[in-house]
Amino acid sequence: AQSVTQLGSHVSVSEGALVLLRCNYSSSVPPYLFWYVQYPNQGLQLLLKYTSAATLVKGINGFEAEFKKSETSFHLTKPSAHMSDAAEYFCAVINTGTASKLTFGTGTRLQVTL
Amino acid sequence: GAVVSQHPSRVICKSGTSVKIECRSLDFQATTMFWYRQFPKQSLMLMATSNEGSKATYEQGVEKDKFLINHASLTLSTLTVTSAHPEDSSFYICSGETGTYEQYFGPGTRLTVT
Repeated sequence: AQSVTQLGSHVSVSEGALVLLRCNYSSSVPPYLFWYVQYPNQGLQLLLKYTSAATLVKGINGFEAEFKKSETSFHLTKPSAHMSDAAEYFCAVINTGTASKLTFGTGTRLQVTL
Repeated sequence: GAVVSQHPSRVICKSGTSVKIECRSLDFQATTMFWYRQFPKQSLMLMATSNEGSKATYEQGVEKDKFLINHASLTLSTLTVTSAHPEDSSFYICSGETGTYEQYFGPGTRLTVT
């Protein structure tokens, strides 16, 4: 079965600082990986996805993630944090063998301080 | 991106009553729709997967007689919580998938059972 692990349930950065949210995956087949963002009391918005094309994936709002097979990682980064980036971030993997069901990580809450 | 709506956004019902939540894909046809449940400060838990015109496939531990799912068309799925109890209070989120492994999420429905 495929799974993702998000290290750090809470991450706090200063405005303008680098954002790094960690995600490691476990999969017996090449995975499809996703990062979603959730603002309070809202649904999820797709930030970016990896579907076996380019390993460096650029998403919306200045976020990007790099698929590293050797490290089984798909960390999310943004060079300069904005206050509006404060939200909950979820890494997810597609279980391609079972009707494309998403398996989510436990989430990382990003706090951005002045 | 594709838009998914949910109605209502918030609902309060009395214990023992039933409540229906609608999920609509507004500008695409969703071959598959998913229903998730999210507890406070936790990740999303997949409840069921539904394909248009077919019976929903429920995840282990989800009561199919309690959480009735109907996927009547490629743009509409409904979740009915029957005989609701306070422990059913939660944030329910639906998503639609177009067949490209990408899910588009609704804004969620906050259910409170008193």
